[in-house]
Amino acid sequence: DQQVKQNSPSLSVQEGRISILNCDYTNSMFDYFLWYKKYPAEGPTFLISISSIKDKNEDGRFTVFLNKSAKHLSLHIVPSQPGDSAVYFCAAKSSGSARQLTFGSGTQLTVLP
Amino acid sequence: DVKVTQSSRYLVKRTGEKVFLECVQDMDHENMFWYRQDPGLGLRLIYFSYDVKMKEKGDIPEGYSVSREKKERFSLILESASTNQTSMYLCASSFRQGYSYEQYFGPGTRLTVT
Repeated sequence: DQQVKQNSPSLSVQEGRISILNCDYTNSMFDYFLWYKKYPAEGPTFLISISSIKDKNEDGRFTVFLNKSAKHLSLHIVPSQPGDSAVYFCAAKSSGSARQLTFGSGTQLTVLP
Repeated sequence: DVKVTQSSRYLVKRTGEKVFLECVQDMDHENMFWYRQDPGLGLRLIYFSYDVKMKEKGDIPEGYSVSREKKERFSLILESASTNQTSMYLCASSFRQGYSYEQYFGPGTRLTVT
């Protein structure tokens, strides 16, 4: 049973527009969430994170929103650039864990020039 | 700058062979992890270690074992490789304490078992 779900396998956006990537989770014990970006033939790289005590965290063009009641988080990229084309994974940490992360299945973002 | 290195980028092995994948990190991290990445399934945790000689099973440990003899090095072992172990293998490391839960990943090893 997938505890972290990314229901959109792919997303295409025009350069300069907003990209919105979504992630849903089922485990109420998750207390910290992260987004990673992965280019082909490279390991994932950390992008941005949010604690469950917050509902928004911003870093430059990237903003993560957390809606705990809906068990939903989203990553907004504004404005989108062709270099943002990659697979994006959301991940979650449980308060009861030894820092393991549970990852979603990923969303392939393509930013069209 | 954190560096996590993996011994091979690409590996081709035959069914039944014993396979060793090695991972080294230079940030003095206590935690180390092995994942496999498959299309549509994301990253799935195979094993992790929070200290030298300590190991814990992840979500999919069957067919794998691990070894951590030194803090900086974490090895994944496929005792008898099978075709369903063809995958991208990713190693990661992180601190055990503090407020940063970020894991740092290596470049991955693309393993093909024929």
